[in-house]
Amino acid sequence: GAVVSQHPSRVICKSGTSVKIECRSLDFQATTMFWYRQFPKQSLMLMATSNEGSKATYEQGVEKDKFLINHASLTLSTLTVTSAHPEDSSFYICSAPWKTNYGYTFGSGTRLTVV
Amino acid sequence: TQLLEQSPQFLSIQEGENLTVYCNSSSVFSSLQWYRQEPGEGPVLLVTVVTGGEVKKLKRLTFQFGDARKDSSLHITAAQPGDTGLYLCAGGATDSWGKLQFGAGTQVVVTP
Repeated sequence: GAVVSQHPSRVICKSGTSVKIECRSLDFQATTMFWYRQFPKQSLMLMATSNEGSKATYEQGVEKDKFLINHASLTLSTLTVTSAHPEDSSFYICSAPWKTNYGYTFGSGTRLTVV
Repeated sequence: TQLLEQSPQFLSIQEGENLTVYCNSSSVFSSLQWYRQEPGEGPVLLVTVVTGGEVKKLKRLTFQFGDARKDSSLHITAAQPGDTGLYLCAGGATDSWGKLQFGAGTQVVVTP
């Protein structure tokens, strides 16, 4: 089946630094990647949609200058949290359509802790 | 915005019991998907239903899509501790592969 590899799985960073999260589609081409944020015991909240070769589309209330998304190739999308603050601590997950199975395949998530 | 209401929010049962999770909306969805998520992991697709009235079975899990394609249910028979997890329903379209609308999730805990 379609696999999306997400790295890192966990990261701890200091306030004010930037963190990059990568999502790679291993056996298929992901022209679209969705980026979610999830707080403990809550559902997924869509942050933005990245499309290969074009600008990402951000959901209302998500700062595009703080959460930089790049989708430079058909197999790689990245999310960079810039100037991180403790309130950015969360679980970030990427997802791509898996058309063969009429579903979406998700990365394993990145637990970001900003100290 | 199409909203998906999922209930209950939390379910704790003993091993061997049955359970049902519901997902309702006032809007029509072209497809409805069910995912299970374990702590520290991304959601894993269980099933996608696309036809009104459709019933799909996955071992002890039975999924139904309402005739009007506005609601769905997940029924687990003889639950096992391995069924513990966060169950999420998500509505979407199979013809556009746009963003999914997720329900709030149901945390299921099955104790031995």
